[in-house]
Amino acid sequence: EADIYQTPRYLVIGTGKKITLECSQTMGHDKMYWYQQDPGMELHLIHYSYGVNSTEKGDLSSESTVSRIRTEHFPLTLESARPSHTSQYLCASSGGLGAGELFFGEGSRLTVL
Amino acid sequence: QKEVEQDPGPLSVPEGAIVSLNCTYSNSAFQYFMWYRQYSRKGPELLMYTYSSGNKEDGRFTAQVDKSSKYISLFIRDSQPSDSATYLCAMRAGTALIFGKGTTLSVSS
Repeated sequence: EADIYQTPRYLVIGTGKKITLECSQTMGHDKMYWYQQDPGMELHLIHYSYGVNSTEKGDLSSESTVSRIRTEHFPLTLESARPSHTSQYLCASSGGLGAGELFFGEGSRLTVL
Repeated sequence: QKEVEQDPGPLSVPEGAIVSLNCTYSNSAFQYFMWYRQYSRKGPELLMYTYSSGNKEDGRFTAQVDKSSKYISLFIRDSQPSDSATYLCAMRAGTALIFGKGTTLSVSS
């Protein structure tokens, strides 16, 4: 079982609030990712990092920001949440070898009222 | 045209049936082909992956890749209620991993 953890699992907040979704992995992986998943839709990459102090935006535009100060930690922040941010956010990491398969956390389901 | 196409289903089968899940793709540069399983309210977990063309078997699961047809399949033999989940195909060319929408499978006992 992969050792990647996300908190909170579920969050319901009001519009305009600042939120941070936490993601930590204990596998020593350099590469970490944030995906957004909506019902019936593909996983879309919103942010990724190939190491400490390295962050890039993915193929889906997002108003969220990320940071990578420590290898094991990759938090995602929304400065001012809106109902359009309601979604499931999945964090993943990869050792980068071979197929570069991703190990996912259990997800953070965000609902913005 | 999306790079990866996957019929979302849902697909319902009785226990013991053979299940076939499929994806088509348009990018001939894809080299790694993966299948993930996602249970409700959980993150996806890797089932198996294949490099380039060919078959790969793991227990009741067989993955097939036909690069000439740009078509991949996952077969589940002797399906069990515990196989009920959403199955996502994913493909990699270089650093980008592209996912299908996922097919929801329900196996009834």
